[in-house]
Amino acid sequence: AQTVTQSQPEMSVQEAETVTLSCTYDTSENNYYLFWYKQPPSRQMILVIRQEAYKQQNATENRFSVNFQKAAKSFSLKISDSQLGDTAMYFCAFIYNFNKFYFGSGTKLNVKP
Amino acid sequence: DVKVTQSSRYLVKRTGEKVFLECVQDMDHENMFWYRQDPGLGLRLIYFSYDVKMKEKGDIPEGYSVSREKKERFSLILESASTNQTSMYLCASSTSTTVNEKLFFGSGTQLSVL
Repeated sequence: AQTVTQSQPEMSVQEAETVTLSCTYDTSENNYYLFWYKQPPSRQMILVIRQEAYKQQNATENRFSVNFQKAAKSFSLKISDSQLGDTAMYFCAFIYNFNKFYFGSGTKLNVKP
Repeated sequence: DVKVTQSSRYLVKRTGEKVFLECVQDMDHENMFWYRQDPGLGLRLIYFSYDVKMKEKGDIPEGYSVSREKKERFSLILESASTNQTSMYLCASSTSTTVNEKLFFGSGTQLSVL
């Protein structure tokens, strides 16, 4: 069975600072993909960043980067220079076949001015 | 701009009612999904469909059924709504051309069953 665990239900960060959201997963698969999705108060889920498990290089997208540790099955999201618009629920997700996604329970991030 | 549209943003129903949640995508995607989102539980897959008239159970299909008569439309049906089906329902779609293709989501339907 595939599981995704986000151990931080809620976090806060000051505007312009850096915050890291944690995610661990469990799988026996070797080829898979990991995602971070953001859900702002509008409820529209937005893809933040994607990582292929076969790539050792960590993915980056502007202020968003990941720390992917395959052996430890860890996939954390780092947000640099936090902005008020980053306030949202963040979901870690895992997929290994046929587009069947497994999601974590989410981390609510609050960026304070 | 790609779009997944859910017919209702908020819905209030009575226990025992038959409820239809509609989802339409305009991207010609093969795959469509229904998720349920509850606090502390994240998103859980109810059903998905990889082609017209094809469907497969997800992790929590009990109490739900689905219909996909046309490629662009995927309906979730609550045959007899119960209070424990009060939740946020998210529809999503994706293409089958690459296995790691991202999901495109609708804005969700917040369903309250009284």
